[in-house]
Order: sequence, then structure tokens, then C-alpha cells
Amino acid sequence: GAVVSQHPSRVICKSGTSVKIECRSLDFQATTMFWYRQFPKKSLMLMATSNEGSKATYEQGVEKDKFLINHASLTLSTLTVTSAHPEDSSFYICSASGRGGTEAFFGQGTRLTVV
Amino acid sequence: SQQGEEDPQALSIQEGENATMNCSYKTSINNLQWYRQNSGRGLVHLILIRSNEREKHSGRLRVTLDTSKKSSSLLITASRAADTASYFCATEHTGGFKTIFGAGTRLFVKA
Repeated sequence: GAVVSQHPSRVICKSGTSVKIECRSLDFQATTMFWYRQFPKKSLMLMATSNEGSKATYEQGVEKDKFLINHASLTLSTLTVTSAHPEDSSFYICSASGRGGTEAFFGQGTRLTVV
Repeated sequence: SQQGEEDPQALSIQEGENATMNCSYKTSINNLQWYRQNSGRGLVHLILIRSNEREKHSGRLRVTLDTSKKSSSLLITASRAADTASYFCATEHTGGFKTIFGAGTRLFVKA
């Protein structure tokens, strides 16, 4: 299957700082990327869907000013957690699908810890 | 709720036994996928079944899909201790390619 690379795999940051997570499709053009959040021992919750070149569509209850998503190219989407707080600590996973494709490929996830 | 339902939430079996997990969803789908996740790690894609398929096999895995009941099952035969993980179904919905995850089943296989 296609490869999606997510970076960093782990990050620790101080409260009040911002953290950027990158999601790259390495061997295909990702017209749509998805960002998920996973709390310990819970399932993945879809946060937002982004299409290349347009604004992200956020799921209900997700603060778009808190979680900034940029999908400026067909191979890269970024999620920036702004003014991070300890409750933002979580596992964040991206997925990407190509033009006309019906399968999304997942990155390996980023474990964010805010101290 | 955005999520589908999975049952059981947790399953503990002996090595060699079969494990069956079920998933139900709410709206029309393009496909349904099953993933595995070891504790604190990324997702491993196991199998994808399209909405026009009823059954699919991959090694020790057997997946069924009943679109009339909006449900799917994952059967792992002859389980091994290494199968211990969380298993999630994920449905890709029509009209947007959004993939929604079920709550997951935590499988524990005792050696």
C-alpha cells in the first residue's frame, strides 16, 4: 500500500507553546487528509478533513482555532496545536487518500505530551 | 455519536481458540476496514471489504459484511499470544470518504 509518514513520532512541549505535526504522503498525491485524535484506551476520533488547497472541515466540538490544519500541497498536511495545555496530550494520527481513491492510508501517529 | 459500535469491548481467550469481534455502523458506506493497534502504537491495516462484498479472507482472518444489518465481523482463527492488541473497524462513508472508527475491541490471548 501507499506510504504516509508522520513526524514527529513523539513530542513533549511546555504548556502555552505550539506544536506542529506533519503528515506526508510519500508515493502518491493526497487530495484529502484526515486528522484523528486518540485518548488512552479509546478509539480514534475524527477531528477534521482537509482537501488540498482549501480550508479544513472540522468535526463538531473540535476547536478550529486551537487545532490549525494546513494542506497546502498534495503531499503535506500539518496540524498545529496552538497554546497547548496538558489536556491536549494525546495520540494524533493522520491519514491520506488520493484522487478518486476509496482507501485512506495512515501515518504512524504522534504522541503529544504537554507538561 | 460519530463512532460505530463494536462488541465485545474486551475479549480474553486461550491461544489456539478463535476470536470473533463484531462491528455495527449507522450510515451507508463505501467500504469497511479492520485495523489492529498494539498498545500506544500506530495502526496496522488488516483487511478492507467493499460494500458489494460479503466475505473476505486473509490468512487467519475472515471478515464478513452484512450491509442490510449494517454490521461486520472479524474472525481470527487459531489465535496466538502475538494477536493481543486492540482491533478497530473503520467505515468509509459515502459522499465524502470520511473514515469513522468503531470503539474497538481489546483482545487478550493467553499463552
